[in-house]
Amino acid sequence: QVQLEQSGDEVKKTGDSVKVSCKASGYAFSVYYLHWVRQSPRNGLQWMGWINPNTGDTKFAQNFQGRVTMTRDVSVKTAYLDLSRLTLDDTAIYYCARAGDWNDLDSWGQGTLVTVSS
Amino acid sequence: DIQMTQSPPYVSASVGDTVTIACRASQGISKWLAWFQQRPGRAPKILISAASILQSGVPSRFSGSGSGTEFTLTISSLQPEDFATYFCQQGDRFPFTFGQGTRLEI
Repeated sequence: QVQLEQSGDEVKKTGDSVKVSCKASGYAFSVYYLHWVRQSPRNGLQWMGWINPNTGDTKFAQNFQGRVTMTRDVSVKTAYLDLSRLTLDDTAIYYCARAGDWNDLDSWGQGTLVTVSS
Repeated sequence: DIQMTQSPPYVSASVGDTVTIACRASQGISKWLAWFQQRPGRAPKILISAASILQSGVPSRFSGSGSGTEFTLTISSLQPEDFATYFCQQGDRFPFTFGQGTRLEI
């Protein structure tokens, strides 16, 4: 079955960067886009962007342009989210999610809590 | 960006009841609307795609309808495991956007 296994929770300081990984199994990694979504009580669910695991092409939400990088390593079926210049507002649970067939997100990782403090 | 507005934010119900949750898009999104269920401490789980397509393994008491700007999720014969938070998500254009959620409580 489709599984997305994310890296562990992180604690960071303002101005730091964080890297979250998402290891896929149970399906053809290169075929399905992977999206990143974050969730916080203040901002709800926010879509951050996607990566095409086959080509490495990416698309980001305007809110994160210039601070976000998405990469992948096909050999280990893993996608990565890098977010730089962290602020307190970046405290959230970060999810990777596989693109579904209907412009949706059909499988989600378990989430990675990123806590940013001053 | 397309704004997604869910109502009500909270609904109180009992086992066996039928509830309906609404989701409105700020502009037309055709049928590109998904519904998710999220239990505390868990990731969202997709229930319905393309406004009305039940995902595999999802009980038939869940149903979705609508197109354009108005959508509904109906849960009939509520079961104890249905008490959770429900979100809608539009997939018509990027950025994907989500409703603020409806918390279904006993």
